[in-house]
Amino acid sequence: DTAVSQTPKYLVTQMGNDKSIKCEQNLGHDTMYWYKQDSKKFLKIMFSYNNKELIINETVPNRFSPKSPDKAHLNLHINSLELGDSAVYFCASSGQYSNQPQHFGDGTRLSIL
Amino acid sequence: AQSVTQLGSHVSVSEGALVLLRCNYSSSVPPYLFWYVQYPNQGLQLLLKYTTGATLVKGINGFEAEFKKSETSFHLTKPSAHMSDAAEYFCAVSVGDSSYKLIFGSGTRLLVRP
Repeated sequence: DTAVSQTPKYLVTQMGNDKSIKCEQNLGHDTMYWYKQDSKKFLKIMFSYNNKELIINETVPNRFSPKSPDKAHLNLHINSLELGDSAVYFCASSGQYSNQPQHFGDGTRLSIL
Repeated sequence: AQSVTQLGSHVSVSEGALVLLRCNYSSSVPPYLFWYVQYPNQGLQLLLKYTTGATLVKGINGFEAEFKKSETSFHLTKPSAHMSDAAEYFCAVSVGDSSYKLIFGSGTRLLVRP
């Protein structure tokens, strides 16, 4: 069974569109995250949620809106997509303590035409 | 502020040779450190972690890393490279207490020559 699953794996769309990425984890973790990996492979956190509450918001444009309907799900909605949003977006989950590793999904590759 | 520096964006070794990937960190508090591996078109997989206790940490696939506080380093090694080790490797430090985040280094691409 996949521990952290994201859908879709690939997303190709045009500038100005709105799109969503879904994430689910079956590890029983309380905390979930979204990371962005740019074309140079650099990884940066965007958001984290603990038990459905937003904990970290790393100065991400408000076109990005995460939503956590329950602690096993964390979705990412992006409005008015821009060329610079092209990247791979990773969902992750972990226990709530900083000595516990994060478990990552396989990523969603977003390409803006 | 915590940060991670990985020296060398690309490291190339021959199959069977020693692998050494360098990671230095900056942290105002005792750090928790992680190494992750990313294979093409896949997510990140945990190789190993240092939290407390023994400074030499063993991970999966024959990798190990040593935490050296005096050098603020956490270098990753493997005695003998295998073709299947070719991937991107990321060092990371955790920041925060509860609901923490990971600060990643810029990654090192490991190339293994036959």
